Amino acid sequence: EAGVTQFPSHSVIEKGQTVTLRCDPISGHDNLYWYRRVMGKEIKFLLHFVKESKQDESGMPNNRFLAERTGGTYSTLKVQPAELEDSGVYFCASSQEGGSGNTIYFGEGSWLTVV
Amino acid sequence: AQSVTQLDSQVPVFEEAPVELRCNYSSSVSVYLFWYVQYPNQGLQLLLKYLSGSTLVESINGFEAEFNKSQTSFHLRKPSVHISDTAEYFCAVSGVGRAQKLVFGQGTRLTINP
Repeated sequence: EAGVTQFPSHSVIEKGQTVTLRCDPISGHDNLYWYRRVMGKEIKFLLHFVKESKQDESGMPNNRFLAERTGGTYSTLKVQPAELEDSGVYFCASSQEGGSGNTIYFGEGSWLTVV
Repeated sequence: AQSVTQLDSQVPVFEEAPVELRCNYSSSVSVYLFWYVQYPNQGLQLLLKYLSGSTLVESINGFEAEFNKSQTSFHLRKPSVHISDTAEYFCAVSGVGRAQKLVFGQGTRLTINP
């Protein structure tokens, strides 16, 4: 069974450009999460989808970030325009429907560098 | 709201020595507790979790963690480490009930020296 896959694995863009990160969750997982780790800091929650609906987007830093999950399958996270402080690793994760004790599976992350 | 503190950002140990990675949490509600590991150039993997029942939980590769409610701790231990345990370890907490977000600690980088 395929795990959570993320694309691209690495991206280097200039300040002001746009980047779109994609996440394919494990098949059948209704819950999809985005997290981010900025250099030297802790991993922070960005948002949570249940199927195609945003359950919690309290961690989104500002309106330059837009996440979508059309059809309740894969998700995209767009940063537009990118700023230097957006550099970091963006993790996507998924879990089955149910309680918070269900294991959350993480992808390998998308490393974003804004120069 | 929950928070997690990992007191050590880096822990160097010699191979076959014991190790303890410390984790303390703060929460006003019941929680589930997790340890995740990130090996070099890989994603986060669940190492072990405490949901309920026995306060001592174990992983398949020899790590164990004990939930201590009175001390609000969930320290990770291994009696004898191997080079292959070199990784960054993250303690995390979530609320109980419907699927909820994880709140992570800052991470502890475990370095094993031969």
